[in-house]
Amino acid sequence: GENVEQHPSTLSVQEGDSAVIKCTYSDSASNYFPWYKQELGKRPQLIIDIRSNVGEKKDQRIAVTLNKTAKHFSLHITETQPEDSAVYFCAASDGYGNKLVFGAGTILRVKS
Amino acid sequence: NAGVTQTPKFRVLKTGQSMTLLCAQDMNHEYMYWYRQDPGMGLRLIHYSVGEGTTAKGEVPDGYNVSRLKKQNFLLGLESAAPSQTSVYFCASSGVRGKNIQYFGAGDFGAGTRLSVL
Repeated sequence: GENVEQHPSTLSVQEGDSAVIKCTYSDSASNYFPWYKQELGKRPQLIIDIRSNVGEKKDQRIAVTLNKTAKHFSLHITETQPEDSAVYFCAASDGYGNKLVFGAGTILRVKS
Repeated sequence: NAGVTQTPKFRVLKTGQSMTLLCAQDMNHEYMYWYRQDPGMGLRLIHYSVGEGTTAKGEVPDGYNVSRLKKQNFLLGLESAAPSQTSVYFCASSGVRGKNIQYFGAGDFGAGTRLSVL
């Protein structure tokens, strides 16, 4: 079945710097890759997603890139702000498109 | 729309007790999921359903049962709770639109149920 690995597990950046979180997946049939942000004690919230027919997608300060050949995708956050501090999860759909498999998460700390 | 609603929000059980967690969605979504979240382990899928009357096992199904008798509801049961089932449980739903392209909306997770088994 699908396996998703996420790195790093923790990431500290200075306010205004960029942050990059990387994920790899194993199932070449995966075609949907969302990213979720989870603040302490809250539910995961979808922040951006990408489908396999697109290489890059951007939404204001966040962007996601996908390399299908290498089977990895990344989240890029520019001009980080303290409110970006949270746990970020990547996910990949299984080959049937029925469910998501999540990475273990990255704790992002933005220091002001 | 209320989105995805989970009840209860908190629960404390003694080992061996049983309980049912209820998930309800009002978005007419086909797919529903139960996850558990433990520190440092992300979200792990317990069971899921691709439509009314259907259920399937996820990554960690042992000790849990589910039912999807109505499209809008997905129930998670613990028949004999164990301390290892102490966790935060999230329900989620997703829909299908156009040529069976599944989509996951921004509000597709419930608020979570914090369960402690003593």
